[in-house]
Amino acid sequence: DIQMTQSPSSLSASVGDRVTITCRASQAISNYLAWYQQKPGKVPKLLIYAASTLQSGVPSRFSGSGSGTDFTLTISSLQPEDVATYYCQNYNSAPFTFGPGTKVDIK
Amino acid sequence: EVQLVQSGAEVKKPGESLKISCKASGYSFTNYWIAWVRQMPGKGLEWLGIIYPGDADTRYSPSFQGQVTISADKSINTAYLQWRSLRASDTAMYYCARPRLSGAFHAFDVWGQGTMVTVSS
Repeated sequence: DIQMTQSPSSLSASVGDRVTITCRASQAISNYLAWYQQKPGKVPKLLIYAASTLQSGVPSRFSGSGSGTDFTLTISSLQPEDVATYYCQNYNSAPFTFGPGTKVDIK
Repeated sequence: EVQLVQSGAEVKKPGESLKISCKASGYSFTNYWIAWVRQMPGKGLEWLGIIYPGDADTRYSPSFQGQVTISADKSINTAYLQWRSLRASDTAMYYCARPRLSGAFHAFDVWGQGTMVTVSS
């Protein structure tokens, strides 16, 4: 099975800061990588699929990159409404494991 | 509108059985995989398994194989997750989710609202 890791596990940044979250797969998954945002008490929301394609309706301050085993999610200018936990997910082959999550809050 | 509507919260005792549901609407139910995802209190997302209602092809995470059963009734556009004998460690929020593309494994763009399962004596 493919294992997903994320770093950092949590971060605190100021409004307007650039934030980067890293996701690593234990084996190559091409670009079959998704990013989700989950706000406290809410349902997860798809942000990015195919490693770098922004889901419809998602603000352009979110972007993704990477291929193979190493991926990043970047928030170009952190906003208060971005406080959430972010998860990556492999969908290359079952089981479609999620990363452990990165909790983002405002400093 | 594409929707997944899940059954309501459940409170059960250890050893009891349970079947929760996820009713789909607004799209062709038989043409999209549906997955189940667990989230234990204060923890991350865990992928349990996935079913293709068109032919009942089902895949499980090795971590959950034998612990749960995923099924679907295409006559009523509903997927199910069931347990034969619940444990306290099954206490969690359970989500169903649908991939973006028909007939394919893909990122999940449609999610149910979640079903909270509490197992306590």
